[in-house]
Amino acid sequence: KQEVTQIPAALSVPEGENLVLNCSFTDSAIYNLQWFRQDPGKGLTSLLLIQSSQREQTSGRLNASLDKSSGRSTLYIAASQPGDSATYLCAVPVGWGSQGNLIFGKGTKLSVKP
Amino acid sequence: ETGVTQSPTHLIKTRGQQVTLRCSSQSGHNTVSWYQQALGQGPQFIFQYYREEENGRGNFPPRFSGLQFPNYSSELNVNALELDDSALYLCASKSSGGRDTGELFFGEGSRLTVL
Repeated sequence: KQEVTQIPAALSVPEGENLVLNCSFTDSAIYNLQWFRQDPGKGLTSLLLIQSSQREQTSGRLNASLDKSSGRSTLYIAASQPGDSATYLCAVPVGWGSQGNLIFGKGTKLSVKP
Repeated sequence: ETGVTQSPTHLIKTRGQQVTLRCSSQSGHNTVSWYQQALGQGPQFIFQYYREEENGRGNFPPRFSGLQFPNYSSELNVNALELDDSALYLCASKSSGGRDTGELFFGEGSRLTVL
């Protein structure tokens, strides 16, 4: 059974710091991995999708890496800003192929202090 | 391009009542899925609809049911509400078939409170 874990559960950093959020999964046979951002009481915003054949994806100050063999993904945020404060969730599909539903971690709550 | 939209945004019900939540999928998307997110937890998969049929279901009882319409919009119905049904209900859509990248796009959610 696939399980997704995110460490740390919460993180507080000063503005401008570079930071890394971690995501691990127990079954390495994944189709892709998706990172989301969630503001309090709001829906999920897709940040990055990494296909199983890729090792990383970049969007602006965000870089996500994927190491299937070790069951890990990291989300790197460069030059953090107070507007980056949110909960970050990673998710992987159940089963192979794109039809699977997503299994989510519990998220990392990030607070960036001015 | 219109994103995923959900209604209502907030609602309060009492135990035993029934509720219907609605979702319009993102333009061009033909697959809709529903998730329940309790406070402090990651979203949990309820079910998925493709071509108006349920084609995947999570560990939720039959009192959670749904529909998908020809325009790909969807409803989530919950009967006999229980206190533990209080949560944020999220709808997500994607394009299945040749244009499917596997990426899911979520709406803003419907916050249900059961008293």
